[in-house]
Amino acid sequence: DADVTQTPRNRITKTGKRIMLECSQTKGHDRMYWYRQDPGLGLQLIYYSFDVKDINKGEISDGYSVSRQAQAKFSLSLESAIPNQTALYFCATSDVGQADTQYFGPGTRLTVL
Amino acid sequence: AQSVTQLDSQVPVFEEAPVELRCNYSSSVSVYLFWYVQYPNQGLQLLLKYLSGSTLVESINGFEAEFNKSQTSFHLRKPSVHISDTAEYFCAVSSMDSNYQLIWGAGTKLIIKP
Repeated sequence: DADVTQTPRNRITKTGKRIMLECSQTKGHDRMYWYRQDPGLGLQLIYYSFDVKDINKGEISDGYSVSRQAQAKFSLSLESAIPNQTALYFCATSDVGQADTQYFGPGTRLTVL
Repeated sequence: AQSVTQLDSQVPVFEEAPVELRCNYSSSVSVYLFWYVQYPNQGLQLLLKYLSGSTLVESINGFEAEFNKSQTSFHLRKPSVHISDTAEYFCAVSSMDSNYQLIWGAGTKLIIKP
């Protein structure tokens, strides 16, 4: 079984809709991250959480919100989706004891029409 | 601010030829360095990492990278590539400057020509 899972894997939605992407991990890591990937831009950090009570904005947090429901669960929400949020979204986890080595989920491909 | 530069967005190479993917970083303190690989339609996987000790690190599938502190580089090499190495490769660095969060390069697509 995969250590980091993401649901859904693919989603097509319309402008203005609320969307939630979910991430679960069985690695026991405290740190979790949400990234988006656009062609040619690499990975951009949206939000990160170092433990259940800690939430921090990344470099591109506008238009997104997150919820850390438990150590193992970290959800990303788009309150009102817009077309330029069409991208590949990745969740990752890390353990500070491993110099922040990050482990990634398989990704969610989101298309906003 | 800390940054990572991958100088080539694409590297085409013939099968069985050697390849080098370049990565340079900016940091004034001790760093941890990583290479991740993303195969088509998949997530990112850790390929290799440098935390301390020997400056030459190797992966299980024949890649190696050398930490060069004086040149602030962590180039990835493989002496003979295979078609299955077709992927995008990302370099990343963390340090006290970034509160030990990963700073990512833009990625290099390795294109293997038969």
